[in-house]
Amino acid sequence: AQRVTQPEKLLSVFKGAPVELKCNYSYSGSPELFWYVQYSRQRLQLLLRHISRESIKGFTADLNKGETSFHLKKPFAQEEDSAMYYCALSQNTDKLIFGTGTRLQVFP
Amino acid sequence: GAVVSQHPSWVICKSGTSVKIECRSLDFQATTMFWYRQFPKQSLMLMATSNEGSKATYEQGVEKDKFLINHASLTLSTLTVTSAHPEDSSFYICSARDYTRHNEQFFGPGTRLTVL
Repeated sequence: AQRVTQPEKLLSVFKGAPVELKCNYSYSGSPELFWYVQYSRQRLQLLLRHISRESIKGFTADLNKGETSFHLKKPFAQEEDSAMYYCALSQNTDKLIFGTGTRLQVFP
Repeated sequence: GAVVSQHPSWVICKSGTSVKIECRSLDFQATTMFWYRQFPKQSLMLMATSNEGSKATYEQGVEKDKFLINHASLTLSTLTVTSAHPEDSSFYICSARDYTRHNEQFFGPGTRLTVL
């Protein structure tokens, strides 16, 4: 069965510290992986997708097929990064399967 | 661009009544829209895939007679919660897929339903 696992419900760091939000997946085919972000009182929005291989707002994520992981990283966290982050998997560019989410708190 | 709206943003209804929620893609056409349900402090759970001009595809465990989906045009999908009960109270979110933007899903702001 397809599944996305985000082991941490909450991740708290101080401003300037490195951040890594973990995401593991189980999928039998070739998945497409995404990170979505939801800032306070805002709608869910796409942060990045693995096929784009780009850095958005300083965040990067590398798909590791061997470890079935797609961890989200940022070398220096900012207060404005505080939000809810969801890892998601897509089957054949169809429906999305979301992880349970990780709340990132960045303290000043 | 790529804006998705939902109406209403919140609704309170009595148990036993039906509630309709609209999802619109404002500046693009969407042959496929999705309906999610989100419980407090939990993740989004896909309820169904809404296909323009055809029947919706429901996820396992979602009652199709309870949650009626209609996708009558390329910019509008509706979710009707029939005979609502307090356990249907939740946050309902829709998304619309834009095939001109690498099939990215754009999300609506959500509708909070409270059933008394």
